[in-house]
Amino acid sequence: EDKVVQSPLSLVVHEGDTVTLNCSYEVTNFRSLLWYKQEKKAPTFLFMLTSSGIEKKSGRLSSILDKKELFSILNITATQTGDSAVYLCAGMRSGSARQLTFGSGTQLTVLP
Amino acid sequence: NAGVTQTPKFRILKIGQSMTLQCTQDMNHNYMYWYRQDPGMGLKLIYYSVGAGITDKGEVPNGYNVSRSTTEDFPLRLELAAPSQTSVYFCASTETGISGANVLTFGAGSRLTVL
Repeated sequence: EDKVVQSPLSLVVHEGDTVTLNCSYEVTNFRSLLWYKQEKKAPTFLFMLTSSGIEKKSGRLSSILDKKELFSILNITATQTGDSAVYLCAGMRSGSARQLTFGSGTQLTVLP
Repeated sequence: NAGVTQTPKFRILKIGQSMTLQCTQDMNHNYMYWYRQDPGMGLKLIYYSVGAGITDKGEVPNGYNVSRSTTEDFPLRLELAAPSQTSVYFCASTETGISGANVLTFGAGSRLTVL
């Protein structure tokens, strides 16, 4: 059974802080690792990582995958209150169904 | 371009009742999925479909049924509602990309309470 574990479960920081969210995975026939942001509604896509060691960046967010150690991190620099959300990571299998196994998420709260 | 549309947004059921959650997408996506999300948890896959006429079980299929008679529609049926099915249900779809990408487009969710 595929497994994705995120840590920490929750995090409270102040605006301007930098945070690192962790995701470890055990996914059969692993293909990619995806990060989503969820703000009390449907998750929205952030990143998809397929290759090890290549950082993906979008503004203040960045993410990297380590396929040897089976983990990924999501970094958010200069946090803002609008970054408050649950961050989900998901491991994707190879194959036609492209099933995703989600972690439980990290609840990030950014205080002004 | 509506994307993925789910109905209803909210529903309260009594134990033993049946209902269908509707999901429609207008993006001509082949792949469609149903997830449930319990409070403080990630999403768990209930059923998925890789095309019209093809469905398969996910991680937590018990108590649910699906059908996929058209590319656009992927309804989820609860036959005998139980309190354990109280959850938020998300329908999602994705295209068949040669890159293998699976960037899901999610519906807004359906909050179901079984009392």
